[in-house]
Amino acid sequence: SQQGEEDPQALSIQEGENATMNCSYKTSINNLQWYRQNSGRGLVHLILIRSNEREKHSGRLRVTLDTSKKSSSLLITASRAADTASYFCATAPVWSSARQLTFGSGTQLTVLP
Amino acid sequence: EPEVTQTPSHQVTQMGQEVILRCVPISNHLYFYWYRQILGQKVEFLVSFYNNEISEKSEIFDDQFSVERPDGSNFTLKIRSTKLEDSAMYFCASTGRNNEQFFGPGTRLTVL
Repeated sequence: SQQGEEDPQALSIQEGENATMNCSYKTSINNLQWYRQNSGRGLVHLILIRSNEREKHSGRLRVTLDTSKKSSSLLITASRAADTASYFCATAPVWSSARQLTFGSGTQLTVLP
Repeated sequence: EPEVTQTPSHQVTQMGQEVILRCVPISNHLYFYWYRQILGQKVEFLVSFYNNEISEKSEIFDDQFSVERPDGSNFTLKIRSTKLEDSAMYFCASTGRNNEQFFGPGTRLTVL
């Protein structure tokens, strides 16, 4: 798979359920960031997790990072219809001071009311 | 809360014309970036800019592209002679000391 690939490609759940999205990457990273994008709109920054961190929380979001498996997961608890969007992981390489991001293809999350 | 802004939100141009996309990064940020997203595809890195010069660029960022920070607030992307395949959403982003990268709302460029 390519750097920053999300799994599944699409996820449909009922309001109130939890949504889990996974991301895999190939090269060594400095950090991994998750973004949300509503259709045709901008990228909203959700959370950054550094390579030396294993778990991070922000509100209803929980992100884990396993550098040995080169994978990350994003958990959204108690989902709402407003959470319907595409979710992307993006990795910043360890070798570049500019920390430009490489994005995955995204997971399209649909939360049904 | 500080945010990255971009203008215009939508730009329509004829093939071969020059376009300038404008961005105002977050004021205390140090690194600035341009990315693009062709409809239905991944977000792709174009260029990063630090200390008034390009620090990294991708293969996409060829001689038709240039970036400039003409003053203390604006950051621009110029495409000298647009092609049909340049049609995409162009995002500006900036990063502060904690490496969180914030994106603007994007400029949708349509080349006819």
